[in-house]
Amino acid sequence: DIQMTQSPSSLSASVGDRVTITCQASQAINNFLNWFQQKPGKAPKLLIYDVSNLETGVPSRFSGSGSGTDFTFTIYSLQPEDIATYYCQQSDSLPYTFGQGTKLEIK
Amino acid sequence: EVQLVESGGALVQPGGSLRLSCAASGFTFNMFDMNWVRQAPGKGLEWLSYISRSGNTIYYADSVKGRFTISRDNAKKSLYLQMQSLRAEDSAVYYCVRRSRGDSWGQGTLVTVSS
Repeated sequence: DIQMTQSPSSLSASVGDRVTITCQASQAINNFLNWFQQKPGKAPKLLIYDVSNLETGVPSRFSGSGSGTDFTFTIYSLQPEDIATYYCQQSDSLPYTFGQGTKLEIK
Repeated sequence: EVQLVESGGALVQPGGSLRLSCAASGFTFNMFDMNWVRQAPGKGLEWLSYISRSGNTIYYADSVKGRFTISRDNAKKSLYLQMQSLRAEDSAVYYCVRRSRGDSWGQGTLVTVSS
């Protein structure tokens, strides 16, 4: 099984800051790397698929990059409504696996 | 509008069984692979099971293999998860998820395994 190592596990930042989360796969995943946002009490929401493709309706301040085994998720100019937990997920091979999550808080 | 609505969650005793359902609408159900994902209270996301569009290809996480069975009825636009030999550690919110990339999720249904 492919292991996904996500860091940090928690993060505190100010409104307007640039926020970066990393995700490392235990083997190459052919760029089938997705990022989700989950707000308390809600289902996860797909933000970015296949490393860097923004899902329809997702603000352009969200961005993804990377290749091979190393991937990065960035929020340019953090907004109050971005408070959530973020997860990476590989969909290259079954069993699909998630990172441990990054809880983002506002300073 | 794409909608996935799970049902069937309940309080069940250890060793018991439960069947979850997911009703799909707003898209051509038989054109999409489907998955079940769960989240234990205060924990992260755990992918559980995959079923292909036709139902011919099925895969399970090791944690549920042999105890859970995924199935679908394309005519009814429904996805199912039959759960047996339930354990306390199966307590979680269970989500029905469209496609491998997870582009649509249901609201979840809560399963609590406790005596």
